[in-house]
Amino acid sequence: NAGVMQNPRHLVRRRGQEARLRCSPMKGHSHVYWYRQLPEEGLKFMVYLQKENIIDESGMPKERFSAEFPKEGPSILRIQQVVRGDSAAYFCASLPGQGSLYGYTFGSGTRLTVV
Amino acid sequence: GQQLNQSPQSMFIQEGEDVSMNCTSSSIFNTWLWYKQDPGEGPVLLIALYKAGELTSNGRLTAQFGITRKDSFLNISASIPSDVGIYFCAGSLSGSARQLTFGSGTQLTVLP
Repeated sequence: NAGVMQNPRHLVRRRGQEARLRCSPMKGHSHVYWYRQLPEEGLKFMVYLQKENIIDESGMPKERFSAEFPKEGPSILRIQQVVRGDSAAYFCASLPGQGSLYGYTFGSGTRLTVV
Repeated sequence: GQQLNQSPQSMFIQEGEDVSMNCTSSSIFNTWLWYKQDPGEGPVLLIALYKAGELTSNGRLTAQFGITRKDSFLNISASIPSDVGIYFCAGSLSGSARQLTFGSGTQLTVLP
């Protein structure tokens, strides 16, 4: 997983607080994907972003969740007013602008716990 | 949306044995990927398959892309303790989105 950096690795929030998860893609990668993994399940697609654009957010909950990938800096997944059901591992993956899926590299994830 | 059925859910095998797991889909995929996930880490790509019928090896791992494009299997030969982990299949449709649909995983335990 070297190259895609996610922080923090672990995040604890009380119900009602905001959670901000950061993802720095691999050098030269301009496409970022966010996935969520509930315990003992596979990863579920949330959102696909390119620099300054949301390309596909079909997997994002309609409320409280937002994502951005600004021109400068990391991609941010923001969860407002967290609830216990938001507790999960959130993974980011990056791809270069062109190329095969072999470049699909995941970060080590952020484990969010809502108490 | 697409769904992937991965089996078995878990496996307990003796070191040195061969392992086989598979995924089936209700939809056609254009790419099949196999990942391994260790505890507390993100998935690591093992094998990617791009063409129906394709058989690809990576060391002791062999994977095939089914002819119908609705299934794939992964074989691990001569298992070793470090093979322990969760194995996921994932499928992708072609197009610019390239989002992945994941199976529910196979938990592999290798007994000494």
